[in-house]
Amino acid sequence: SQKIEQNSEALNIQEGKTATLTCNYTNYSPAYLQWYRQDPGRGPVFLLLIRENEKEKRKERLKVTFDTTLKQSLFHITASQPADSATYLCALDPTDSWGKLQFGAGTQVVVTP
Amino acid sequence: EAGVAQSPRYKIIEKRQSVAFWCNPISGHATLYWYQQILGQGPKLLIQFQNNGVVDDSQLPKDRFSAERLKGVDSTLKIQPAKLEDSAVYLCASSAESGTRTGELFFGEGSRLTVL
Repeated sequence: SQKIEQNSEALNIQEGKTATLTCNYTNYSPAYLQWYRQDPGRGPVFLLLIRENEKEKRKERLKVTFDTTLKQSLFHITASQPADSATYLCALDPTDSWGKLQFGAGTQVVVTP
Repeated sequence: EAGVAQSPRYKIIEKRQSVAFWCNPISGHATLYWYQQILGQGPKLLIQFQNNGVVDDSQLPKDRFSAERLKGVDSTLKIQPAKLEDSAVYLCASSAESGTRTGELFFGEGSRLTVL
């Protein structure tokens, strides 16, 4: 069956350090992978989209990598700040399901001063 | 630009009662989605509309859930009768493009349902 796995344990990190989150998937052939941020009581907010032919994507302090061989995406927050504390969701757009975005359970990040 | 609007934000009902949620997507967005997010889980797609037609409702429990998108704009999601396991946040999202291959999803704040 298809699975999207993200670390269920919260990631506690000190301000200024780099947070690295993992998204592993099985039985998918995604054309795209997206990352979203979700704050408590709010809807997810889009952060980055990376295509299957792209190895890396950057946006300000965020960096995403996409390895279709390993079936894995890594999400990095550099120079982390307390305001980065949130849950981060990865989402896959399977090539055979037009527009059917499927989400992982998310990883909570807690940045302490 | 106004975001995706949802109401109500919170609803508490007894099991076997009915409830309806409303969504107004971003103006001009052709694609509308309803997701269910149970506490501690990621959002799960219930139904996807393209304009006022259903693209995918394979994960919608059709014996109790129904959704419509009249005139290709607003949408309502109804649950009747509700079960305890329906307690969740119901998220509405819209996208400018057909599907998500080229665009992001814009989510509303969600409607939190508690079934007692």
